[in-house]
Amino acid sequence: GAVVSQHPSWVICKSGTSVKIECRSLDFQATTMFWYRQFPKQSLMLMATSNEGSKATYEQGVEKDKFLINHASLTLSTLTVTSAHPEDSSFYICSARLGLMNTEAFFGQGTRLTVV
Amino acid sequence: AQSVTQPDIHITVSEGASLELRCNYSYGATPYLFWYVQSPGQGLQLLLKYFSGDTLVQGIKGFEAEFKRSQSSFNLRKPSVHWSDAAEYFCAKGTGTASKLTFGTGTRLQVTL
Repeated sequence: GAVVSQHPSWVICKSGTSVKIECRSLDFQATTMFWYRQFPKQSLMLMATSNEGSKATYEQGVEKDKFLINHASLTLSTLTVTSAHPEDSSFYICSARLGLMNTEAFFGQGTRLTVV
Repeated sequence: AQSVTQPDIHITVSEGASLELRCNYSYGATPYLFWYVQSPGQGLQLLLKYFSGDTLVQGIKGFEAEFKRSQSSFNLRKPSVHWSDAAEYFCAKGTGTASKLTFGTGTRLQVTL
């Protein structure tokens, strides 16, 4: 089956530093990946859509300069949280789409970010 | 804006009892509907999905869901709950695309022994 892997599973960083989260499709090529954010005890909110070889499309209210997304290859998208602050602490989950728009995306296992 | 509503924030059932988790969505063309389960600190596991065809969908772990267009609902059911089913359940919808999803607020299921 389609497997999506995120790395790291958890990370702790100091305020003001940047942290990169990787999302990889292990056994398929993903032209499109999605990044979601989940605050504690809340639902998942879509942050951005990442298309291979082009700029990401951000949802309203998401700061593109703070959450840098790069989708340089068909199997890898990265989310970099720049100048992290405690309020950025959250669970970040990516998903990757195997084919066209009417096909489902497969989720990674998520990354727990804690900013201290 | 597209929305998904899960009216029940928290549900408690006894082990062995039946379960129904409610999900309502704002109507849109070609709704793609999903139910996911999330254990604490874990990622999402897909229980089942509806794209088209038979409105009663069977999923993993004995779950099923029924798509009712007239009621804009996609309720999740299980005839007999196991203690291991305790988790957070999310209903999600894609409109026009099956991959870009809007999630409901989730329902936390507690199972008593």
